[in-house]
Amino acid sequence: NAGVMQNPRHLVRRRGQEARLRCSPMKGHSHVYWYRQLPEEGLKFMVYLQKENIIDESGMPKERFSAEFPKEGPSILRIQQVVRGDSAAYFCASKGQAEQYFGPGTRLTVT
Amino acid sequence: AQRVTQPEKLLSVFKGAPVELKCNYSYSGSPELFWYVQYSRQRLQLLLRHISRESIKGFTADLNKGETSFHLKKPFAQEEDSAMYYCALRDHGGAQKLVFGQGTRLTINP
Repeated sequence: NAGVMQNPRHLVRRRGQEARLRCSPMKGHSHVYWYRQLPEEGLKFMVYLQKENIIDESGMPKERFSAEFPKEGPSILRIQQVVRGDSAAYFCASKGQAEQYFGPGTRLTVT
Repeated sequence: AQRVTQPEKLLSVFKGAPVELKCNYSYSGSPELFWYVQYSRQRLQLLLRHISRESIKGFTADLNKGETSFHLKKPFAQEEDSAMYYCALRDHGGAQKLVFGQGTRLTINP
């Protein structure tokens, strides 16, 4: 079991471009979380999804951010028209029985 | 509101010395608390959870509801303990999301 996979590991975007971050959960897991870590801060919850459903998106910014987890394929976190303040590490976690298993993260840099 | 506070951003101790990483929380209800660790160039991984009352790699943490604390302790630090440590609380709402502290970077000096 390769664990939670995220790609790309590093992503550089210019202001105004779109960023797409991908997360493949552990085999057999059908729920994922997305967290964001701004510089010098802890991880903050963004959204919780199961296949084809958004369960809780209370941590998502109201505009430009969206997430999906289709029946087939990875979960995707999409950020439209990126701004410098979106520069952060984005972590995905998949839900096991007792704990969340984290991916290595995607570091987004907006120039 | 749920909140987790780790008052020390940086902590440096000598090898063989005791270590205590502080964590305080606020939560209405019965909290479920965790310590996560991130070693250099590795992903975040669970170190221990208060429910299990276990000792992992020599670390222990006791939930003190009176002081709303969940401090992580190890009697004799080792160089391989150098890492970033995060205290987290599980929200018992539908999503069961984790609420993290800001993290403490622990450095063990030889």
